[in-house]
Amino acid sequence: DADVTQTPRNRITKTGKRIMLECSQTKGHDRMYWYRQDPGLGLRLIYYSFDVKDINKGEISDGYSVSRQAQAKFSLSLESAIPNQTALYFCATSEAGSNEKLFFGSGTQLSVL
Amino acid sequence: TQLLEQSPQFLSIQEGENLTVYCNSSSVFSSLQWYRQEPGEGPVLLVTVVTGGEVKKLKRLTFQFGDARKDSSLHITAAQPGDTGLYLCAGEDDYKLSFGAGTTVTVRA
Repeated sequence: DADVTQTPRNRITKTGKRIMLECSQTKGHDRMYWYRQDPGLGLRLIYYSFDVKDINKGEISDGYSVSRQAQAKFSLSLESAIPNQTALYFCATSEAGSNEKLFFGSGTQLSVL
Repeated sequence: TQLLEQSPQFLSIQEGENLTVYCNSSSVFSSLQWYRQEPGEGPVLLVTVVTGGEVKKLKRLTFQFGDARKDSSLHITAAQPGDTGLYLCAGEDDYKLSFGAGTTVTVRA
């Protein structure tokens, strides 16, 4: 089984719909992250959480929200999806004090029509 | 956001040839990481460099961190088709990583 699991792997939705992407990890790491990847733009940080009670905005948090339900679970929500949120979304984890070595899930390809 | 620029954006070479990928920034980073990503998967960490001027080798891959800790390079010797993938550099500052856009490397058999 994968250490960082994202569900769903693919999702097609319509403009205005609420969408939740889920991430769970078995690595026992405190830190979790949500990134989006767009061709030619690399990975951009949406939100991150250093422990269960800590939530921080990344560089592109507008239009997104997150919930850290437990150490192992970190979900990303799009309250009202729009077409320019079509992207590949990655969840990642890291262990505190380890030069932030990230362990990524396999990604969720989201298409907003 | 600290900008990391990678070059070239695309690289296609024949098996057995050498290649170098560059990662440049105007910012200083406390560490710099290289990841490789294959289609349908998330990036996987290859190496972390921390000290200015540091050189690390991973089999046929050689990673170098610039003296001023602003730039890095990845050199692959005698490339193989299995080296095909998207190579991403990422600079760490304040416990967060900023990623470059990546270099897509294709090694033809």
